[in-house]
Amino acid sequence: NAGVTQTPKFRILKIGQSMTLQCAQDMNHNYMYWYRQDPGMGLKLIYYSVGAGITDKGEVPNGYNVSRSTTEDFPLRLELAAPSQTSVYFCASSYSTLGHYGYTFGSGTRLTVV
Amino acid sequence: AQTVTQSQPEMSVQEAETVTLSCTYDTSESDYYLFWYKQPPSRQMILVIRQEAYKQQNATENRFSVNFQKAAKSFSLKISDSQLGDAAMYFCAYRSLAGNKLVFGAGTILRVKS
Repeated sequence: NAGVTQTPKFRILKIGQSMTLQCAQDMNHNYMYWYRQDPGMGLKLIYYSVGAGITDKGEVPNGYNVSRSTTEDFPLRLELAAPSQTSVYFCASSYSTLGHYGYTFGSGTRLTVV
Repeated sequence: AQTVTQSQPEMSVQEAETVTLSCTYDTSESDYYLFWYKQPPSRQMILVIRQEAYKQQNATENRFSVNFQKAAKSFSLKISDSQLGDAAMYFCAYRSLAGNKLVFGAGTILRVKS
């Protein structure tokens, strides 16, 4: 099992450019999440999805968009990149809403906007 | 909204000694789940231990144990016989009973001295 796969691992963007961070899981998890982690800070939820075709905003959604056309994939789109979006981005998935299930995390994407 | 507070930005421990990382949280719910995640320099998020709020018994996983004080809304992590491989950022996280979102604290960097 690959678990949660994120690509790319590193990326440098210029201000105003756009890009898509890819996330795929092979565990048939319904729930998928995007978090960002700023230096010295905890993870903040950007967007999440409870199943194919269903997405919802988290704590810090501005400047991002998501889609969930399949159970496996949950890409995060950055439009008009800004320096404030410099961060490490984590995708995660979960089997169930039952709380005792933890998340499975990807290895992260380090994004720098210059 | 629930919040999670980790008041120790950094902690140090001598190899083979015991260290306790603190976490407090704020919630109006009576049933929920609490987690400790480890993030080594590789950035991978690893679930260390989980606790169900309705269980009075503290969770234990090998050298890792928690001290769960529900009334005080406190959830500390004790690492016994610390090893060099324990050096990492540790995050405390909260999840509602039927919720699908993890709320993270800001993290504690643990350094292990040889």
